[in-house]
Amino acid sequence: DAKTTQPTSMDCAEGRAANLPCNHSTISGNEYVYWYRQIHSQGPQYIIHGLKNNETNEMASLIITEDRKSSTLILPHATLRDTAVYYCIVRALDSWGKLQFGAGTQVVVTP
Amino acid sequence: EAGVVQSPRYKIIEKKQPVAFWCNPISGHNTLYWYLQNLGQGPELLIRYENEEAVDDSQLPKDRFSAERLKGVDSTLKIQPAELGDSAVYLCASSLGLAGNNEQFFGPGTRLTVL
Repeated sequence: DAKTTQPTSMDCAEGRAANLPCNHSTISGNEYVYWYRQIHSQGPQYIIHGLKNNETNEMASLIITEDRKSSTLILPHATLRDTAVYYCIVRALDSWGKLQFGAGTQVVVTP
Repeated sequence: EAGVVQSPRYKIIEKKQPVAFWCNPISGHNTLYWYLQNLGQGPELLIRYENEEAVDDSQLPKDRFSAERLKGVDSTLKIQPAELGDSAVYLCASSLGLAGNNEQFFGPGTRLTVL
């Protein structure tokens, strides 16, 4: 059973912020929210993860709601190279590395 | 630093033929994963190794699929015999360990086409 729900696709204008939503209403207290992305013909690439606090790194920001039932990945200034499938995954630290990917969101950044 | 290396990148075979995929993980990564990715779907885990031990092979179709990781470094995934439905991308990933927040690094994958 899917643990996360994401829109199938979304478009974003180059230079604008891309806000990617993810619903994980059944998330457990020990589960983190992970984001990976997969550019065409490449393997998935780790972006960011978080438990309950907002997180930011050089690639993106992750905003997790207070009840932890949903989150948003923010790409602050989307570029054409950000066109990819973005996967939101919930994972417990004791899951021994298991990542359960859904279908993800196809993001297309347009000039 | 070299990433996860996979070969070949593409493979076309006829059904019932055998095929093998090779993966070289990032140096120092004890954990290695093989994933299967069908068109339009996310990757699905086939098998996980901790060093040379397969710690989870529950999703590996053992009637035709096999994998090995001799010496706990390189790994090979084999299909014998291949079926039409095996056409997919086979991804290899590695991480420092199984537990904790260890990021998984993926290779580019091998795209298999079975005719």
